[in-house]
Amino acid sequence: EVVLTQSPGTLSLSPGERATLSCRSSQSVSSSYLTWYQQKPGQPPRLLIYGTSSRATGIPDRFSGSGSGTEFTLTISRLEPEDFVVYYCQQYGNSFISFGQGTRLEIK
Amino acid sequence: QVQLQESGPGLMKPSETLSLTCVVSGDSISSPYWWSWVRQPPGKGLEWIGESYFFGSTNYKPSLRSRVTISVDKSKNQFSLKLTSVTAADTAVYYCARGIRGGRPFDVWGQGTMVTVSS
Repeated sequence: EVVLTQSPGTLSLSPGERATLSCRSSQSVSSSYLTWYQQKPGQPPRLLIYGTSSRATGIPDRFSGSGSGTEFTLTISRLEPEDFVVYYCQQYGNSFISFGQGTRLEIK
Repeated sequence: QVQLQESGPGLMKPSETLSLTCVVSGDSISSPYWWSWVRQPPGKGLEWIGESYFFGSTNYKPSLRSRVTISVDKSKNQFSLKLTSVTAADTAVYYCARGIRGGRPFDVWGQGTMVTVSS
């Protein structure tokens, strides 16, 4: 099973700053199969980025993804107040799906 | 607009079998997507349970495989989850989701249904 480890667990920043969230895999993941979600309290996750770097429909361009192999990154260029929630990465490989444990973005 | 809606028992006792249904509206369950179940214990992260393709092919999380069955009902445009021998560790919000072929990005999610296992 592929294990995804997200860091940091909690990231404290201010609105307007740049956020860099990391997702590290225990095995190499195809770039086509790495996904990022945003989850607000009491809501289901929302698809942000798929295929490592493709933004989903309606996602602002301040969200971007990058990476390859075992290291992937979600970057939020200028934080808006509504961005301070939880983010998950997800991978697919060999008929198995796994999620990272999540990174919580909090207002400093 | 595609929508998914879960339904389930809410409260269960240990050792019972959990049965959840996800009704798909705005799309055919025979469309080329993988239909998944994902759960989230209170205050914790997301856990994938398993998935089914419309013609019956399934994949399950290895640690849950012995207790899980996911099936598709084309006549009712819905898919279902059965989880046997539940314990308190199965207490969670259960989501159904639509996964795109390939990397399985989940582009549509249900609102989730809370299942509590307690004696």
